[in-house]
Amino acid sequence: AQTVTQSQPEMSVQEAETVTLSCTYDTSESNYYLFWYKQPPSRQMILVIRQEAYKQQNATENRFSVNFQKAAKSFSLKISDSQLGDTAMYFCAFMKQGDSGTYKYIFGTGTRLKVLA
Amino acid sequence: NAGVMQNPRHLVRRRGQEARLRCSPMKGHSHVYWYRQLPEEGLKFMVYLQKENIIDESGMPKERFSAEFPKEGPSILRIQQVVRGDSAAYFCASSPDRGPRYGYTFGSGTRLTVV
Repeated sequence: AQTVTQSQPEMSVQEAETVTLSCTYDTSESNYYLFWYKQPPSRQMILVIRQEAYKQQNATENRFSVNFQKAAKSFSLKISDSQLGDTAMYFCAFMKQGDSGTYKYIFGTGTRLKVLA
Repeated sequence: NAGVMQNPRHLVRRRGQEARLRCSPMKGHSHVYWYRQLPEEGLKFMVYLQKENIIDESGMPKERFSAEFPKEGPSILRIQQVVRGDSAAYFCASSPDRGPRYGYTFGSGTRLTVV
């Protein structure tokens, strides 16, 4: 079974600095998808960034980038120039197609990030 | 585009009552997924529906839980005879197709509290 591990329950970073959130996963599949979601106190799940496993190039979205190491099964999220609005819970998620044809997320337990003024 | 709409946002039920959670997918999305988030945990898959069909309910508890997505109207997640362990945030997501090309769009969830 696939698992997703986020080993940092809580982190903090000074405004304007850079922070990296770690995520590792376990799978025997070769084709899958990885995501980072942000969940602010409003509870809304917001897609931050997405990576397809067959693409070697690391995905980037403005201040957000990933370091995807397929062999190591690692998918860390780097947030540059941190802003107060980045304060949220961050979830790493793995997705693949199951036997039934359904694409399902498997989420990690999350990292609570606090950006300090 | 209003996004995925879930209501109510908060729901309080006494043990033994029924809870009905509603989800209206994004316009043009015909695939709906329900996930449950227990306190301090990530979201866990419950069920996947298309209009009038349950495609995959492998994550649904065997008893008391049911879901539907009728031809007209929102998708409904129904929990009968609620117990304290059902207290959680329930999220609905939708997508225009079956694949993960863009990820799924989530609603803001319904927080169910059983007292």
